[in-house]
Amino acid sequence: DAGVIQSPRHEVTEMGQEVTLRCKPISGHDYLFWYRQTMMRGLELLIYFNNNVPIDDSGMPEDRFSAKMPNASFSTLKIQPSEPRDSAVYFCASRPHQGYTGTDTEAFFGQGTRLTVV
Amino acid sequence: AQSVSQHNHHVILSEAASLELGCNYSYGGTVNLFWYVQYPGQHLQLLLKYFSGDPLVKGIKGFEAEFIKSKFSFNLRKPSVQWSDTAEYFCAVNVGNQGGKLIFGQGTELSVKP
Repeated sequence: DAGVIQSPRHEVTEMGQEVTLRCKPISGHDYLFWYRQTMMRGLELLIYFNNNVPIDDSGMPEDRFSAKMPNASFSTLKIQPSEPRDSAVYFCASRPHQGYTGTDTEAFFGQGTRLTVV
Repeated sequence: AQSVSQHNHHVILSEAASLELGCNYSYGGTVNLFWYVQYPGQHLQLLLKYFSGDPLVKGIKGFEAEFIKSKFSFNLRKPSVQWSDTAEYFCAVNVGNQGGKLIFGQGTELSVKP
């Protein structure tokens, strides 16, 4: 498997524009996570899905952020309109089904998308 | 709410020095614990994990961590660091009844001087 694939790797956009980040999880993984990494806040969990259903979006900072998972092999994180403070590295991660006691494996991360909003 | 605290934001060591990075979590129930490493410009990779059993866990590249339930801690150690260990290290917790929610600490940046 090629691992978790994110696109684009780098995105530079102007303030006010719509930005869409994409993620392809590892095949067969039931969970998909979106994280944002900044110097100030570290690694923040924005939202995660289980079997394509959003489970917890309490980390999504504002209504400008939205995430979808239309099928098991694809997810998007959209920012509309974008602002300079959204500049960060956005990571997508996936993991297999969690057993009853949570004793399954770890999450696997993509390479990240470095977003710069000017 | 559950949280993960890493006390050291930036650690600077010389090669061959011993390393210990602190990690504490706030949750009283069943947890799974992880340490990830992020080399400059790269994505996060798993160093080691604890689910159950022996609280002393050995990972890749000579790293180990000890789960001390009474202290809610999962500190990362390495007896002798190398320049190539320069990276950012993240502690993470997966809370058993939270359906897979994986929470990370703020990260500790390790700089190893040759």
